[in-house]
Amino acid sequence: DAKTTQPNSMESNEEEPVHLPCNHSTISGTDYIHWYRQLPSQGPEYVIHGLTSNVNNRMASLAIAEDRKSSTLILHRATLRDAAVYYCILPYNYGQNFVFGPGTRLSVLP
Amino acid sequence: DTGVSQDPRHKITKRGQNVTFRCDPISEHNRLYWYRQTLGQGPEFLTYFQNEAQLEKSRLLSDRFSAERPKGSFSTLEIQRTEQGDSAMYLCASSLADSTDTQYFGPGTRLTVL
Repeated sequence: DAKTTQPNSMESNEEEPVHLPCNHSTISGTDYIHWYRQLPSQGPEYVIHGLTSNVNNRMASLAIAEDRKSSTLILHRATLRDAAVYYCILPYNYGQNFVFGPGTRLSVLP
Repeated sequence: DTGVSQDPRHKITKRGQNVTFRCDPISEHNRLYWYRQTLGQGPEFLTYFQNEAQLEKSRLLSDRFSAERPKGSFSTLEIQRTEQGDSAMYLCASSLADSTDTQYFGPGTRLTVL
């Protein structure tokens, strides 16, 4: 099963960019990389996913290394509402469920 | 579409009682998942359905837990003879059975067993 490694916590100042790293050295060729975030007392919220190319959406950008063994979630201008636990996930069992690690707790300072 | 919904949002029960939670997935999604999350941990997979068929169950899902999705739409998760260790957030997610299998989560049901 593919496994991910993320820093336990990170801090950012409001309105500055944030780069959240994830290592997934055992990724297979067909594994999508998913990012979710979870605010306190809420369910995880989908942020972005990608396979090989960098991806952008209204919430964030996902930069995927050429060898696919790592990726970085980029929040272009952090706001206080971005304070959450961010999970980098690879699918398990042919994409039929997710294995969540402890994630990265992002604090945003005003 | 309003996304995945779960009911109730909070449940307090006494040890030994049975509880049942409901999940309504996004309407066109054929896959439905249940997860459990304890304080400070990431969600842990419990089970998933494709349409009405329950295709996988985690070892976390003891005999006291049962999940159903009778018509391939909403799902229920029942816990019999609750124990204090069952106190957790129970999360439901749904997805399309496509190559990305992106899952969309509901708000969760927080269970407290006294």
